[in-house]
Amino acid sequence: ELKVEQNPLFLSMQEGKNYTIYCNYSTTSDRLYWYRQDPGKSLESLFVLLSNGAVKQEGRLMASLDTKARLSTLHITAAVHDLSATYFCAVPRIQGAQKLVFGQGTRLTINP
Amino acid sequence: SAVISQKPSRDICQRGTSLTIQCQVDSQVTMMFWYRQQPGQSLTLIATANQGSEATYESGFVIDKFPISRPNLTFSTLTVSNMSPEDSSIYLCSVAGTGRNEQYFGPGTRLTVT
Repeated sequence: ELKVEQNPLFLSMQEGKNYTIYCNYSTTSDRLYWYRQDPGKSLESLFVLLSNGAVKQEGRLMASLDTKARLSTLHITAAVHDLSATYFCAVPRIQGAQKLVFGQGTRLTINP
Repeated sequence: SAVISQKPSRDICQRGTSLTIQCQVDSQVTMMFWYRQQPGQSLTLIATANQGSEATYESGFVIDKFPISRPNLTFSTLTVSNMSPEDSSIYLCSVAGTGRNEQYFGPGTRLTVT
């Protein structure tokens, strides 16, 4: 059974600092998703990582994928308050399929 | 990208009643998915809504509790039946994009059962 684990689950950091959220998954997958969720809102798609070594960047967020290690990272550079949210990674249950298994989520709070 | 709408956006319901949630997509999609997000938790897949055939349910979810309809390629409904406070959650509809790599989520329906 596929397991997706994120750490940390809670992260409080100061503006201007850098930090990384980790997402480990237990079985082979051909892609990995990162989503953002603001309180009371739905999920916003951030990145889809499709291959080993894939790296995608959008503003202060950069995501990477190591399929051999079954690990993805979401790196935050020079954090700003607007990035406060919960971040989820998700992996297809079966390679090539579309049913997603989500990590527990990382609740990120960025303090001024 | 797909634009997904859900109705209602939120509701407060009494124990023992049922609520039907609607999901409308602005383009035809092959598969639609229903997820549940319990308070403070991650998302769990309830079922896949298949057009022209019965929904496919995940372990722990049954048709009698969560009947699903999929009358066409742009619309689906999820009913939460005989509700209890444990059903209080956000229910989200999801579809895959035209390329299989994108997966979009609706705004969610926040259900509170008293």
